[in-house]
Amino acid sequence: QVQLQESGPGLVKPSETLSLTCTVSGYSISSGYYWGWIRQPPGKGLEWIGSIYQSGSPHYNPSLKSRVTISIDRSKNHFSLKLSSVTAADTAVYYCVRDWGATGIDCWGQGTLVTVSS
Amino acid sequence: QSVLTQPPSVSAAPGQKVTISCSGSSSNIGNNYVSWYQQLPGTAPKLLIYENNKRPSGIPDRFSGSKSGTSATLGITGLQTGDEADYYCGTWEGSLRVFGGGTKLTVL
Repeated sequence: QVQLQESGPGLVKPSETLSLTCTVSGYSISSGYYWGWIRQPPGKGLEWIGSIYQSGSPHYNPSLKSRVTISIDRSKNHFSLKLSSVTAADTAVYYCVRDWGATGIDCWGQGTLVTVSS
Repeated sequence: QSVLTQPPSVSAAPGQKVTISCSGSSSNIGNNYVSWYQQLPGTAPKLLIYENNKRPSGIPDRFSGSKSGTSATLGITGLQTGDEADYYCGTWEGSLRVFGGGTKLTVL
């Protein structure tokens, strides 16, 4: 059974870079699927940040593209998110996901709350 | 402002049926599969319906999905108090994954 677990700081200062890692267990990232990130500000809806195929280029939400980097480390079976120049508007629960592409998102991490505050 | 439009809330009594609509355009729903997600309070979303009307293993047949043109609908029959949750539709618009704003289901 595939499981995803986010890790990283829960508090980031404004203008700094948010960095999260998603560790995958029960499935090899190299076997396929897209791997991505979705966030949810407190009390609000879901926003897709971006995703990366196990052997391809990442795709990002145009509204965040200039600040986002998603990468994969196959040797560690994990993938990462970096979001630069954060502001309070980036405060959200961040979910890592296994993405079936056109089909849907079939597996979600439990989510991690990241607060941007000085 | 979400790309896909859902009603903010719906409600029904236990045992009844409810439908949740998701309206889009030819740029998104009209040319792509729709998926639905259930988010119970304090938890991560869970895939309920994929490819418009298919249920993942373990999802009861009380949950159903349909799509017509640029709109999609999630149906839930035999409502249970445990179905109280936020429900989100999702699809693609070009290379951008988009979601509805979510619908809060209250089981009275």
